Amino acid sequence: DQQVKQNSPSLSVQEGRISILNCDYTNSMFDYFLWYKKYPAEGPTFLISISSIKDKNEDGRFTVFLNKSAKHLSLHIVPSQPGDSAVYFCAASGNNDMRFGAGTRLTVKP
Amino acid sequence: EAGVVQSPRYKIIEKKQPVAFWCNPISGHNTLYWYRQNLGQGPELLIRYENEEAVDDSQLPKDRFSAERLKGVDSTLKIQPAELGDSAVYLCASSDRGTPASEGYTFGSGTRLTVV
Repeated sequence: DQQVKQNSPSLSVQEGRISILNCDYTNSMFDYFLWYKKYPAEGPTFLISISSIKDKNEDGRFTVFLNKSAKHLSLHIVPSQPGDSAVYFCAASGNNDMRFGAGTRLTVKP
Repeated sequence: EAGVVQSPRYKIIEKKQPVAFWCNPISGHNTLYWYRQNLGQGPELLIRYENEEAVDDSQLPKDRFSAERLKGVDSTLKIQPAELGDSAVYLCASSDRGTPASEGYTFGSGTRLTVV
């Protein structure tokens, strides 16, 4: 059962522009939503998270928005940099369980 | 700090052969996870340990997969015999009981298994 979905396998943006990565979930019982970043041949690294009781969390160039009624979250990266090029995984956690989406490959072009 | 260490980084074996992966979590982290990531998909949990106890192994294919975490530190994941469909990246992660859920887990670099 795919409880977390990332429907865009890839995204390409120009350096300096905004990157928006999207994620949908089905289970309303998740407590936290997280974004992980993964470079080739490395494990996923934690990037930013948001509690289910919040609708926005910002950390520098990264902002995550949560729309609970739509069961949708998004990660905004502004401005995008070439070093942001990686695979981004959306994850949802609750009750000692964490579910991941399939990932979106972001390419930031110089 | 070394982070979560996994070995080997890569492994190529013939089908029906056994294979084992090793994980050394961050010192002091009591919870250890093994995930499998198939090509083009996100990581999926195989087993979770709290200290030396496997508290969630519901997704572990027990006919061919086994895991252990002796003394609640290092862990080994074994496949015997391996099948072509086992080709994937096997990720180990750890977390501390005191780590907020908002900070997620720390992952190792993974072991890429190719079964031919």
